Amino acid sequence: EPEVTQTPSHQVTQMGQEVILRCVPISNHLYFYWYRQILGQKVEFLVSFYNNEISEKSEIFDDQFSVERPDGSNFTLKIRSTKLEDSAMYFCASSGTGGIQAFFGQGTRLTVV
Amino acid sequence: KQEVTQIPAALSVPEGENLVLNCSFTDSAIYNLQWFRQDPGKGLTSLLLIQSSQREQTSGRLNASLDKSSGRSTLYIAASQPGDSATYLCALDGSGNTGKLIFGQGTTLQVKP
Repeated sequence: EPEVTQTPSHQVTQMGQEVILRCVPISNHLYFYWYRQILGQKVEFLVSFYNNEISEKSEIFDDQFSVERPDGSNFTLKIRSTKLEDSAMYFCASSGTGGIQAFFGQGTRLTVV
Repeated sequence: KQEVTQIPAALSVPEGENLVLNCSFTDSAIYNLQWFRQDPGKGLTSLLLIQSSQREQTSGRLNASLDKSSGRSTLYIAASQPGDSATYLCALDGSGNTGKLIFGQGTTLQVKP
C-alpha cells in the first residue's frame, strides 16, 4: 500500500543550526503538507503546497521556515536557525485529486538542545 | 475561528464494550472531517473520511457520523479490543481549497483485556 515516508525518524540538533526534514509523498499525490505536534499538544498545521507553490501557511510558519519540492518526488521542510521551541514531532502529509483525504507519514521527532 | 474539541480526553473500557468518541466544532462550514488513530510516538493513520455531503462512513467495526448543523461528529467503535488502544483524533477541513486540517486534542482510549 502506498505510504508517505519521512526521514530521519529522529534528529537532534543544536540551537541555531539549520535542519532539513525530508518527506517522500505518495507518488500520484498533488497536495503536500507539513504539520507539527509539540509534546502533549494538538497537531498544528504549518503549510500546504500545491503546484510548486505555498497555498496556505500558518502564523507558525515564519521566515525561519521554508519548503521545497526539489526533484518531483521529495518534499522538504527547512528550519534555518532552530530554537528550543521548535522541538516537536513534524509530520508530512499528502493528498490526491481535490486535496481531500490526507495521508500522513510516521513523523520526524526533532529535538533542539 | 474554527475550534475543534474532543470529549472525553481519556477513556478506559473493558474489552468487548461498544463505545462512542465525540468531536465538536464551532463553525459548521466544513468541507470534510477525518478521524485518525495515533499510537504513542507514531504517525497518524487515517481511519475514516466524511465529506460534507455525507452523514456517515463505516469501516469494519468503526462508524463515524457527521452532523454539521449541530457541529458534531462521533466515532463509534463496536466490540472494542485491546489493539484499539490508541489516541483518536478528529480533524476537519474548513478551507476547501488548501486542505488545511484543524485537529482536536484527541481522546486516549485504553481497552483492558
